[in-house]
Amino acid sequence: DTAVSQTPKYLVTQMGNDKSIKCEQNLGHDTMYWYKQDSKKFLKIMFSYNNKELIINETVPNRFSPKSPDKAHLNLHINSLELGDSAVYFCASTTGAYGYTFGSGTRLTVV
Amino acid sequence: AQSVTQLGSHVSVSEGALVLLRCNYSSSVPPYLFWYVQYPNQGLQLLLKYTSAATLVKGINGFEAEFKKSETSFHLTKPSAHMSDAAEYFCAVSVAARGSQGNLIFGKGTKLSVKP
Repeated sequence: DTAVSQTPKYLVTQMGNDKSIKCEQNLGHDTMYWYKQDSKKFLKIMFSYNNKELIINETVPNRFSPKSPDKAHLNLHINSLELGDSAVYFCASTTGAYGYTFGSGTRLTVV
Repeated sequence: AQSVTQLGSHVSVSEGALVLLRCNYSSSVPPYLFWYVQYPNQGLQLLLKYTSAATLVKGINGFEAEFKKSETSFHLTKPSAHMSDAAEYFCAVSVAARGSQGNLIFGKGTKLSVKP
């Protein structure tokens, strides 16, 4: 069983479109995250959710809207996609400092 | 604010040679520290973590790291490099956050190349 699963794995779309990335974890963790990895491999936290409540929004454009229907799911919706949104997006979850588990990533390409 | 700095964006070693990837942290409280590895076109895999127990931490694939508070360092080592170790390596620190279990802040990564 995959602990943190993301779909889709690859996403190619045109500028201006709206798209969603889904994330599910079966670890029973309370806290989930979205990270963005840019073309230089730099990983930056975007959002943090604890038990469906938004904790952190790291100055991400409001075109990005996370939604957590329950504590096992954290989806990322992106409106009006721009070229600069092209990146790999990682979902992660944790119980605390003893372990952060990452999904395999979604490679978003905006053309 | 907590942060990590990885010295050297690219390290190249010969197969069988010692691997040393450097990481220094900045933290006002005792930190939790991690090393992750990312193989090409794959996700992040935990190599090892320091959570205030033993200062010498052993991880997977023969890697280990030593927490040195006096030097604020958490360098990653492996005695003998293997071709399969070629990957991107990330040092990270867990930052306490109100209402959550903490956020993981990453260094900029070090790409390890292994020459035959």
